[in-house]
Amino acid sequence: DGGITQSPKYLFRKEGQNVTLSCEQNLNHDAMYWYRQDPGQGLRLIYYSQIVNDFQKGDIAEGYSVSREKKESFPLTVTSAQKNPTAFYLCASSASQGLGTGELFFGEGSRLTVL
Amino acid sequence: AQKVTQAQTEISVVEKEDVTLDCVYETRDTTYYLFWYKQPPSGELVFLIRRNSFDEQNEISGRYSWNFQKSTSSFNFTITASQVVDSAVYFCALSEVYNQGGKLIFGQGTELSVKP
Repeated sequence: DGGITQSPKYLFRKEGQNVTLSCEQNLNHDAMYWYRQDPGQGLRLIYYSQIVNDFQKGDIAEGYSVSREKKESFPLTVTSAQKNPTAFYLCASSASQGLGTGELFFGEGSRLTVL
Repeated sequence: AQKVTQAQTEISVVEKEDVTLDCVYETRDTTYYLFWYKQPPSGELVFLIRRNSFDEQNEISGRYSWNFQKSTSSFNFTITASQVVDSAVYFCALSEVYNQGGKLIFGQGTELSVKP
């Protein structure tokens, strides 16, 4: 089945550690996105990529990094510089580039807890 | 600046009641898209509807209906005869056609609880 796979589903990390969240899609979509969800704040955009080897900062990129070496993969690294990393992270993809017309397809999310 | 506001944080209804989820948006663009997504307990957001700014016709899909009014910048969502399976968090979102990356601006979400 086509879709987006995020892993791990749950992740615990100690303060000061970097962690990488995986996002893989087999929908042949060009655009991919990372959103962060906090209670009462909706979803906020961290990074997005419209094409391989290119990505752009979203609204809350500080403390995060991404790469887009393959069309189907868009991993997110939460670095130790992120002051409040405990959150639910959602990866999404879209078939449309740039014009905002396409619906986003979401993975099931990764819940990161910093101990 | 673009913004989406869902003033209702939580709504609780009894099964078979009708319920309306409010969404108000702000944008300077004349061409934009509005969306509704459902987030069940599993966490994955599920696409429900997309509406472009030039189409103000109301839409009905089974028990779901949407009322788009540009005059009040609102895109409200009504569930008729609600069911327990409708319990979820619902997000309204905005996409400006000429924005970069096709990104969506989300509202804060409304948590709907439908009790048997």
